[in-house]
Amino acid sequence: NAGVTQTPKFRILKIGQSMTLQCAQDMNHNYMYWYRQDPGMGLKLIYYSVGAGITDKGEVPNGYNVSRSTTEYFPLRLELAAPSQTSVYFCASNRRRGVSYNEQFFGPGTRLTVL
Amino acid sequence: DAKTTQPNSMESNEEEPVHLPCNHSTISGTDYIHWYRQLPSQGPEYVIHGLTSNVNNRMASLAIAEDRKSSTLILHRATLRDAAVYYCILTTQGGSEKLVFGKGTKLTVNP
Repeated sequence: NAGVTQTPKFRILKIGQSMTLQCAQDMNHNYMYWYRQDPGMGLKLIYYSVGAGITDKGEVPNGYNVSRSTTEYFPLRLELAAPSQTSVYFCASNRRRGVSYNEQFFGPGTRLTVL
Repeated sequence: DAKTTQPNSMESNEEEPVHLPCNHSTISGTDYIHWYRQLPSQGPEYVIHGLTSNVNNRMASLAIAEDRKSSTLILHRATLRDAAVYYCILTTQGGSEKLVFGKGTKLTVNP
């Protein structure tokens, strides 16, 4: 299994440009998440999905959009990029069954700079 | 979700045990205690989790206080590869799987 993969690894955007961060997982996980991490800080949840077709906002959703049409993919869309969106973005996934806890698996991250 | 408090940084020597503390005085009876770590320039990785009893796995041990208001992650023999930021996180059993990350404890391991 490749686990959670993210593309691109690095990207520089100009203010006002748009882009999509790609995330894929091959573990048949029903839950997927997008986090951002600013320098020296912990991760903050942007959006998450409990299954194909179902998404919900996290702590910092403004300026982002998501969609989940399949189990495997969970892209994150940035519209009108702003310098405040300069950050490292992590995608994660886990399998949720009942009330038992299953660890989240994280991707390697996408480092985004908006100038 | 209840809040956790961790020291900003800790230092250890290679091959010595490391005890990373976490305070969670407002923990509720259905909150799980999780530990994740983040190696430099990587995404976080799961370490261990527990509810009431102490837990052991191949990576670490988790010691939970009897009143559950604090816990300690124990690395039995630190290696250079254990240098990372360690996050202590609470989630509610049966609730959302969302993880709320604080700043964590930065562990430095000296050779």
